[in-house]
Amino acid sequence: DAGVIQSPRHEVTEMGQEVTLRCKPISGHNSLFWYRQTMMRGLELLIYFNNNVPIDDSGMPEDRFSAKMPNASFSTLKIQPSEPRDSAVYFCASSFMGVDGYTFGSGTRLTVV
Amino acid sequence: GESVGLHLPTLSVQEGDNSIINCAYSNSASDYFIWYKQESGKGPQFIIDIRSNMDKRQGQRVTVLLNKTVKHLSLQIAATQPGDSAVYFCAETSGSNYQLIWGAGTKLIIKP
Repeated sequence: DAGVIQSPRHEVTEMGQEVTLRCKPISGHNSLFWYRQTMMRGLELLIYFNNNVPIDDSGMPEDRFSAKMPNASFSTLKIQPSEPRDSAVYFCASSFMGVDGYTFGSGTRLTVV
Repeated sequence: GESVGLHLPTLSVQEGDNSIINCAYSNSASDYFIWYKQESGKGPQFIIDIRSNMDKRQGQRVTVLLNKTVKHLSLQIAATQPGDSAVYFCAETSGSNYQLIWGAGTKLIIKP
Protein backbone atom coordinates (compact mmCIF):
# COMPACT_ATOMS: atom_id res chain seq x y z
CA ASP A 1 0.00 0.00 0.00
CA ALA A 2 1.32 3.45 -0.90
CA GLY A 3 -0.04 4.97 2.28
CA VAL A 4 -1.85 8.27 2.49
CA ILE A 5 -0.91 10.38 -0.52
CA GLN A 6 -0.96 14.15 -0.39
CA SER A 7 -0.32 16.68 -3.11
CA PRO A 8 1.34 18.98 -3.65
CA ARG A 9 4.27 18.50 -1.26
CA HIS A 10 5.03 22.20 -1.33
CA GLU A 11 2.90 25.15 -2.31
CA VAL A 12 3.92 28.78 -2.43
CA THR A 13 1.18 31.22 -3.26
CA GLU A 14 0.41 34.90 -3.01
CA MET A 15 -2.00 36.28 -0.49
CA GLY A 16 -5.52 36.30 -1.83
CA GLN A 17 -5.07 33.32 -4.11
CA GLU A 18 -7.06 30.12 -3.84
CA VAL A 19 -5.19 27.05 -2.63
CA THR A 20 -6.37 23.46 -2.99
CA LEU A 21 -4.71 20.63 -1.11
CA ARG A 22 -5.42 17.05 -2.07
CA CYS A 23 -5.47 13.76 -0.22
CA LYS A 24 -5.90 10.14 -1.18
CA PRO A 25 -6.53 7.99 1.91
CA ILE A 26 -5.50 4.38 2.30
CA SER A 27 -7.85 2.08 0.44
CA GLY A 28 -10.40 0.60 2.83
CA HIS A 29 -10.07 3.34 5.42
CA ASN A 30 -13.36 5.06 6.14
CA SER A 31 -12.17 7.87 8.41
CA LEU A 32 -10.26 10.88 7.09
CA PHE A 33 -8.76 13.75 9.03
CA TRP A 34 -7.23 17.05 7.99
CA TYR A 35 -4.68 18.55 10.39
CA ARG A 36 -2.63 21.71 10.41
CA GLN A 37 0.75 21.87 12.13
CA THR A 38 2.61 24.98 13.18
CA MET A 39 5.37 25.55 15.68
CA MET A 40 3.15 27.80 17.75
CA ARG A 41 0.03 25.65 17.92
CA GLY A 42 1.26 22.15 17.17
CA LEU A 43 -1.14 19.74 15.52
CA GLU A 44 -4.68 21.02 15.16
CA LEU A 45 -7.55 18.92 13.86
CA LEU A 46 -9.40 20.88 11.20
CA ILE A 47 -12.06 18.45 10.06
CA TYR A 48 -13.01 14.80 10.37
CA PHE A 49 -14.90 12.74 7.77
CA ASN A 50 -16.45 9.35 8.36
CA ASN A 51 -17.75 7.42 5.35
CA ASN A 52 -17.26 10.56 3.25
CA VAL A 53 -19.50 12.63 5.51
CA PRO A 54 -18.10 15.57 7.50
CA ILE A 55 -18.66 14.75 11.16
CA ASP A 56 -16.84 17.56 12.88
CA ASP A 57 -15.57 20.72 11.23
CA SER A 58 -15.29 22.77 14.40
CA GLY A 59 -11.56 23.05 13.91
CA MET A 60 -11.84 24.83 10.59
CA PRO A 61 -10.47 28.30 11.32
CA GLU A 62 -12.99 30.33 9.39
CA ASP A 63 -15.16 30.44 6.31
CA ARG A 64 -12.14 30.80 4.08
CA PHE A 65 -11.48 27.11 4.71
CA SER A 66 -13.59 24.37 3.17
CA ALA A 67 -13.16 20.63 2.77
CA LYS A 68 -14.86 18.04 0.64
CA MET A 69 -14.78 14.30 0.27
CA PRO A 70 -16.67 13.40 -2.91
CA ASN A 71 -15.77 9.73 -2.63
CA ALA A 72 -13.91 7.27 -0.44
CA SER A 73 -10.63 7.76 -2.24
CA PHE A 74 -10.29 11.52 -2.45
CA SER A 75 -10.54 14.63 -0.33
CA THR A 76 -9.67 18.28 -0.80
CA LEU A 77 -8.99 21.15 1.55
CA LYS A 78 -9.47 24.55 0.00
CA ILE A 79 -8.44 27.97 1.29
CA GLN A 80 -9.96 30.96 -0.46
CA PRO A 81 -8.65 33.61 -0.15
CA SER A 82 -5.36 32.55 1.39
CA GLU A 83 -3.56 34.70 3.94
CA PRO A 84 0.03 34.65 5.25
CA ARG A 85 -1.17 33.30 8.62
CA ASP A 86 -2.37 30.18 6.82
CA SER A 87 1.25 29.20 6.24
CA ALA A 88 1.72 25.80 7.86
CA VAL A 89 2.11 22.13 7.10
CA TYR A 90 -1.22 20.51 6.35
CA PHE A 91 -1.55 16.80 7.00
CA CYS A 92 -4.17 14.35 5.93
CA ALA A 93 -4.60 11.14 7.93
CA SER A 94 -6.87 8.16 7.49
CA SER A 95 -7.92 5.20 9.56
CA PHE A 96 -10.30 2.27 9.43
CA MET A 97 -12.11 3.11 12.64
CA GLY A 98 -11.68 6.39 14.47
CA VAL A 99 -8.28 6.95 15.96
CA ASP A 100 -7.03 3.37 15.82
CA GLY A 101 -4.30 3.00 13.30
CA TYR A 102 -4.19 6.60 12.23
CA THR A 103 -1.87 6.88 9.23
CA PHE A 104 -0.59 10.28 8.21
CA GLY A 105 0.45 11.48 4.81
CA SER A 106 3.70 13.34 4.25
CA GLY A 107 1.98 16.69 4.37
CA THR A 108 1.76 19.79 2.22
CA ARG A 109 3.95 22.69 3.26
CA LEU A 110 2.00 25.83 2.41
CA THR A 111 3.65 29.22 2.28
CA VAL A 112 1.49 32.25 1.63
CA VAL A 113 3.46 35.39 0.81
CA GLY B 1 -2.75 19.92 25.67
CA GLU B 2 -2.56 20.74 22.03
CA SER B 3 -0.19 23.64 22.17
CA VAL B 4 3.39 23.64 21.07
CA GLY B 5 5.53 26.60 21.92
CA LEU B 6 8.54 27.80 20.04
CA HIS B 7 10.89 25.57 22.02
CA LEU B 8 10.32 21.85 22.19
CA PRO B 9 11.69 19.97 25.18
CA THR B 10 14.84 18.21 24.03
CA LEU B 11 16.41 14.97 25.12
CA SER B 12 19.98 14.19 24.11
CA VAL B 13 21.05 10.58 24.34
CA GLN B 14 24.26 8.77 23.49
CA GLU B 15 23.92 6.30 20.66
CA GLY B 16 23.41 2.85 22.10
CA ASP B 17 21.93 4.07 25.36
CA ASN B 18 18.29 3.72 26.30
CA SER B 19 15.95 6.70 25.94
CA ILE B 20 12.97 7.52 28.09
CA ILE B 21 10.49 10.11 26.89
CA ASN B 22 7.79 11.20 29.28
CA CYS B 23 4.33 12.59 28.82
CA ALA B 24 1.78 13.87 31.28
CA TYR B 25 -1.70 13.42 29.87
CA SER B 26 -4.57 15.67 30.66
CA ASN B 27 -7.83 13.74 30.74
CA SER B 28 -8.43 11.15 33.44
CA ALA B 29 -11.19 9.69 31.25
CA SER B 30 -8.77 8.92 28.42
CA ASP B 31 -8.51 5.20 27.79
CA TYR B 32 -6.38 4.93 24.70
CA PHE B 33 -2.89 6.32 24.24
CA ILE B 34 -0.59 6.45 21.27
CA TRP B 35 3.03 7.41 20.70
CA TYR B 36 3.99 8.95 17.38
CA LYS B 37 7.37 9.68 15.87
CA GLN B 38 7.77 12.61 13.51
CA GLU B 39 10.93 12.93 11.48
CA SER B 40 11.85 16.15 9.77
CA GLY B 41 9.72 16.75 6.69
CA LYS B 42 7.41 13.83 7.36
CA GLY B 43 4.06 13.19 8.94
CA PRO B 44 3.69 11.61 12.39
CA GLN B 45 4.24 7.87 12.31
CA PHE B 46 2.54 5.44 14.69
CA ILE B 47 4.99 3.73 17.04
CA ILE B 48 3.00 1.96 19.72
CA ASP B 49 -0.28 2.24 21.55
CA ILE B 50 -1.72 1.14 24.87
CA ARG B 51 -5.18 0.93 26.37
CA SER B 52 -6.03 1.88 29.90
CA ASN B 53 -6.58 -1.71 31.00
CA MET B 54 -2.83 -2.27 30.64
CA ASP B 55 0.15 -0.65 32.30
CA LYS B 56 2.87 -1.86 29.99
CA ARG B 57 3.19 -2.85 26.38
CA GLN B 58 6.25 -3.81 24.43
CA GLY B 59 7.11 -3.56 20.80
CA GLN B 60 10.30 -3.90 18.88
CA ARG B 61 12.89 -1.90 20.88
CA VAL B 62 10.09 0.22 22.35
CA THR B 63 8.08 -0.07 25.54
CA VAL B 64 5.21 2.10 26.67
CA LEU B 65 4.38 2.44 30.33
CA LEU B 66 1.11 3.85 31.61
CA ASN B 67 0.56 5.11 35.15
CA LYS B 68 -3.07 6.08 35.46
CA THR B 69 -2.70 7.16 39.07
CA VAL B 70 -0.54 10.11 38.15
CA LYS B 71 -1.68 10.36 34.51
CA HIS B 72 1.75 9.64 33.16
CA LEU B 73 2.86 7.91 30.00
CA SER B 74 6.40 7.06 28.98
CA LEU B 75 8.11 5.70 25.93
CA GLN B 76 11.29 3.73 26.35
CA ILE B 77 13.54 3.17 23.37
CA ALA B 78 16.21 0.54 23.81
CA ALA B 79 19.68 0.85 22.28
CA THR B 80 18.97 4.19 20.65
CA GLN B 81 20.09 4.53 17.05
CA PRO B 82 20.69 7.59 14.84
CA GLY B 83 17.45 6.81 13.02
CA ASP B 84 15.55 7.40 16.24
CA SER B 85 16.24 11.13 15.99
CA ALA B 86 12.84 12.76 15.71
CA VAL B 87 10.12 14.56 17.62
CA TYR B 88 8.01 12.19 19.68
CA PHE B 89 4.38 12.96 20.49
CA CYS B 90 2.03 11.28 22.89
CA ALA B 91 -1.67 11.41 22.13
CA GLU B 92 -4.74 10.42 24.13
CA THR B 93 -8.40 9.85 23.51
CA SER B 94 -11.40 8.37 25.26
CA GLY B 95 -13.95 5.80 24.18
CA SER B 96 -14.63 5.84 20.47
CA ASN B 97 -13.79 9.48 20.25
CA TYR B 98 -11.92 10.36 17.09
CA GLN B 99 -10.48 13.48 18.64
CA LEU B 100 -6.88 12.99 19.71
CA ILE B 101 -5.39 15.27 22.35
CA TRP B 102 -1.76 15.77 21.46
CA GLY B 103 1.13 16.32 23.81
CA ALA B 104 3.64 19.06 23.16
CA GLY B 105 6.29 16.79 21.69
CA THR B 106 9.84 15.97 22.72
CA LYS B 107 12.78 16.27 20.40
CA LEU B 108 15.17 13.34 20.68
CA ILE B 109 18.76 13.98 19.62
CA ILE B 110 21.20 11.11 19.29
CA LYS B 111 24.82 11.87 20.03
CA PRO B 112 27.38 9.75 18.17
